[in-house]
Formats: sequence, C-alpha cells, structure tokens
Amino acid sequence: SYELTQPLSVSVSPGQTASITCSGEKLGDKFASWYQQKPGQSPVLVIYQDTKRPSGIPERFSGSNSGNTATLTISGTQAMDEADYYCQAWDSSTVVFGGGTKLTVL
Amino acid sequence: EVQLVESGGGLVKPGESLRLSCAASGFTFSNYGMNWVRQAPGKGLEWVSFISYSRRYIYYADSVKGRFTISRDNAKSSLFLQMNSLRAEDTAVYYCARDPSKGNPNPNWFDPWGQGILVTVSS
Repeated sequence: SYELTQPLSVSVSPGQTASITCSGEKLGDKFASWYQQKPGQSPVLVIYQDTKRPSGIPERFSGSNSGNTATLTISGTQAMDEADYYCQAWDSSTVVFGGGTKLTVL
Repeated sequence: EVQLVESGGGLVKPGESLRLSCAASGFTFSNYGMNWVRQAPGKGLEWVSFISYSRRYIYYADSVKGRFTISRDNAKSSLFLQMNSLRAEDTAVYYCARDPSKGNPNPNWFDPWGQGILVTVSS
C-alpha cells in the first residue's frame, strides 16, 4: 500500500522559514495537499494541488511537489503557525495521509 | 457559510453498531463528493471512506472495508456512515469533509471539515 513519510517534528524561530517534507514513491506524479491542525481543532486545508492556496490562507504558506517529495514552506513563520501539519495524496482508490509533523515555533 | 455538523457518536461495546450523520449547509450538497476521516486519540489522520456526488463511486480504507457503509441523501444534504462490527481500534474522532473539486468522481482534497464526533468502542 502507498505510504507518505513526514518528519515527526520541525522547529523554527519566529520570522524564519520552515520547511516540512512529505515523501512517497513518485509523489510528484500525484497531487499533494497539506492540512494544519491546532490542538482541539479540526484540520484546515492550507495547500491543495501541490501549490494552490485556499482563500483566507496567508501568502506565507506555499507548496511544491517533485520527484518523490512534496514540501510545505512557511515563510516568516509566526507563533500562530505552531501546529501539526499533514500531507495527503490519492493513490489507487485510496486516500493516504502522512503521519504528521509537529511544527514548533521557538 | 459552508458548514458540516456531525452527530451520532457515543460509547458502544465491541461488535455493536453505530450510525454517524453529517448535516451540510451553505452549499449545493449534491454537487460535491464527501468523505469520512478519523483520528484516534493522540494519533494522526486516517481516511475512512469517500462517496461521489452521484453515489456512483464509493471507496473505503482497507481497515473498514466490509464493516462500514457510506451513504448520502442529497435531498436532505446529509452524509452517513453505518459502522458495524465495531472494534476497539475504531475508537476515534470522526470528521466529515467535503471534496471541493466539484463533480469529480475521485477524492482529491478536503475542505472544509466538520467539528468531529467522538466514537468510543469499549467493553
């Protein structure tokens, strides 16, 4: 079965750039999406179709996807961006989520 | 405002059944595919099932295939998940989530999500 692998945690200083990776076989041939989930809240879509931002999502969130890796980049990271982030893709009649990455802003 | 509200959760014993509902509002429900996604306590997201706008395409995760059934009532803007033969490992918060890719037969991405409903399976 298809798998997506994310780092368990990423740390970043306020104002710096955070990059969260998501790896899967030939992931670049599929569309990747990203979700932000804060404690006690439902997930929120932040990137879809590799690079697109839904309305209301700040411009500091961006995405890329090539080869075996999709990347979520947060430029000028703010304290409010501290959350769990999940990547997601669709493969062979199955939706797959990555295991999630805890982003710490310190 | 697009809104999804889940209901029907609760505490059940292993082997019992439960039916979850998701009431949709703020958009034309019949135009969109819908999903169920769950999250076990302290764990990550796990996709459960998808139903296309027309009900023609239905997919399940291997972990629930044969036990869970997804359905929808477009006239009532409602999504359902019938869960049978429940196991302890089905304990989770269950979210309904819309697929915003209008008219697409496959799940793509999820937006928005409901607030979630807790299902606990324990003896």
